[in-house]
Amino acid sequence: QVQLVQSGAEVKKPGASVKVSCKASGYTFISYYMQWVRQAPGQGLEWMGIINPSGGGTSYAQKFQGRVTMTRDTSTSTVYMELSSLRSEDTAVYYCAREKAARGFDYWGQGTLVTVSS
Amino acid sequence: EIVLTQSPGTLSLSPGERATLSCRASQSVSSSYLAWYQQKPGQAPSLLIYGASSRATGIPDRFSGSGSGTDFTLTISRLEPEDFAVYYCQQYGSSPYTFGQGTKLEIK
Repeated sequence: QVQLVQSGAEVKKPGASVKVSCKASGYTFISYYMQWVRQAPGQGLEWMGIINPSGGGTSYAQKFQGRVTMTRDTSTSTVYMELSSLRSEDTAVYYCAREKAARGFDYWGQGTLVTVSS
Repeated sequence: EIVLTQSPGTLSLSPGERATLSCRASQSVSSSYLAWYQQKPGQAPSLLIYGASSRATGIPDRFSGSGSGTDFTLTISRLEPEDFAVYYCQQYGSSPYTFGQGTKLEIK
């Protein structure tokens, strides 16, 4: 069965970086794009960017340009999202989700809580 | 960037009633690449509708999507207790793939 399993919760200090992983199983990894979405406490969903696991191409929301890097490791079917220069406003649950052939993002990871606090 | 505006912000209805949720885009959504998601507290979003009107796998037929261009609607024909949640629309036709701000469907 399809699963996206994310890494565990993180606590970081302002100015630090965080790298969240999303390990895929149960399907052909390189056939599905992967987006990253975050949700601050009590707030809505915010799109961060997307990666094509096949070639590694990425597209980022302008808000995160220069601070976010999405990568993939095809040998382990894992995608990564690294966010740098963290500030308190980056405290949120971060989700990965897959998509293929314009059929929407049908499977989501369980979410990773990143807390930024001094 | 395409801005999605959902209305109403909160919808109070009773089980068995019909719910109509709106998602309006600031510019035309390419090829109707518009999806609807349901999110319950403490859970990840789950896909309901893609391509504006196609139900995702396993989604009951009381959920339906319609619309094109800039105006989209999610309809729940007869509300079940488990349908009370927050609903988001997302356009994935052009980057950045933006979300609406959500509609909270609450029990009246």
